[in-house]
Amino acid sequence: QTVVTQEPSLTVSPGGTVTLTCGSSTGAVTSGYYSNWFQQKPGQAPRSLIYRTTNTHSWTPARFSGSLLGGKAALTLSGAQPEDEADYYCLLNYGDGVLFGGGTKLTVL
Amino acid sequence: EVQLLESGGDLVQPGGSLRLSCAASGFTFHSYAMTWVRQAPGKGPEWLSAISGDGIHIYYADSVRGRFTVSRDNSKNTLFLQMNSLRGDDTAVYYCAQNTLVHYGLAVWGLGTTVTV
Repeated sequence: QTVVTQEPSLTVSPGGTVTLTCGSSTGAVTSGYYSNWFQQKPGQAPRSLIYRTTNTHSWTPARFSGSLLGGKAALTLSGAQPEDEADYYCLLNYGDGVLFGGGTKLTVL
Repeated sequence: EVQLLESGGDLVQPGGSLRLSCAASGFTFHSYAMTWVRQAPGKGPEWLSAISGDGIHIYYADSVRGRFTVSRDNSKNTLFLQMNSLRGDDTAVYYCAQNTLVHYGLAVWGLGTTVTV
C-alpha cells in the first residue's frame, strides 16, 4: 500500500522561512506526480495553494512556492505570517489513483 | 466568482444510501473536470472520485469503487455522488472541488456537506 509522507509538525518564527516536504513510499517524487499543496484552517474547507509542482493559483500568496527537493515535493513559505498557521496537505497523482499526505501542522511562533 | 455548494449530507443507517449534489456557479461548468474528496473527523483528506468535463472519463478510489457513482448534469451545472452500501468509515465531510483546466490540479473547493453513518 502506497503511503505519502509529510512531517507531522513544524514550527516557524514570524517572518521566517520553512519548507514542508511530501514523500512517496514508492520512491522519489518527480514532476510526473504533479504534486498539489493545500492549506486548511480549523473548521474550514481546504484551500488550494500549488498545483503541478510549482504552479500557483491567482489567490496564492506570493510567499508560498512549490518545488522538488531531494526526491520529494516541497512547499516553501518565505516570510511566515501569523495567519499561515494551519494544516498543510500535499497530494500526489499516481497512475492508478490519487493520494493525500497525512498533513503537516504548521505553527507560527 | 467560482462557487461550489454541496448538499445532501445526512445521518444514515449502515447499508443505506445517499445522493450528494454539488451546485456550481461562476465558471463554464462543462469545461472542467470535477473531483470529490472526503475528510473523516480528525483525519486528512481522502480523494474519492473524479469525472471529466464531458462525463466520459471517470475515476474512483479503491475504497469506494463499486459502491459510489459519480455523475454530472452539465445542463444544470451540478455534480453528483451516489453513495450506496454506506459503512461507518464513510462518516466524513464530503467536498466537491473544481479541477484546474490543465490536468492533475485542484482549484476551488466547496464548503462541504456532512455524512454520518
